[in-house]
Amino acid sequence: GDSVTQMEGPVTLSEEAFLTINCTYTATGYPSLFWYVQYPGEGLQLLLKATKADDKGSNKGFEATYRKETTSFHLEKGSVQVSDSAVYFCALADILTGGGNKLTFGTGTQLKVEL
Amino acid sequence: SQTIHQWPATLVQPVGSPLSLECTVEGTSNPNLYWYRQAAGRGLQLLFYSVGIGQISSEVPQNLSASRPQDRQFILSSKKLLLSDSGFYLCAWSGRLAGADSTDTQYFGPGTRLTVL
Repeated sequence: GDSVTQMEGPVTLSEEAFLTINCTYTATGYPSLFWYVQYPGEGLQLLLKATKADDKGSNKGFEATYRKETTSFHLEKGSVQVSDSAVYFCALADILTGGGNKLTFGTGTQLKVEL
Repeated sequence: SQTIHQWPATLVQPVGSPLSLECTVEGTSNPNLYWYRQAAGRGLQLLFYSVGIGQISSEVPQNLSASRPQDRQFILSSKKLLLSDSGFYLCAWSGRLAGADSTDTQYFGPGTRLTVL
């Protein structure tokens, strides 16, 4: 079945450092890909998405490019802030029988940004 | 705009007690609705989904059940809780209309943290 693999955390960075969180996937077809962010004690917020190969999703300084050839969707940010500290989840969407879709998530990567 | 609510926010229940978690969505019609569980230190697992009133599909056999009595209401239940039911329960919705903002994009509620003792 489909799966998502994320780099292990926690990732600890100094403020203004460059961030990369790796995500690779295994899927039949070309699913939509997502990054969600979860702040402590909260639900998941959609950060960005891409629906087809070479699409770049971007939001709040974060970006990720759908790479079909490497089956990857790495999350990047040029300069992180303390407020970016959270858990980041990579996910792909599978179509469900009868309608709707299922998100298959990676295990999440915790990011800690220090002053 | 659309909003999604979950309650209660936190819950502590003894083993063997019943459970009812509620999720409601505002600002959209005919949404697809989902229940996920996030166990401590682990990713999210899809438990149930619904494409319409009274239509429930289960992804993982377990001690839980779900119901959708109204278009924008989704309920997660159990008759007798187990210790292993502890976790963070998240409800989500996605659009179903062609041309809507990405019917494959799911939007999550704030979650319910359940502790079974």
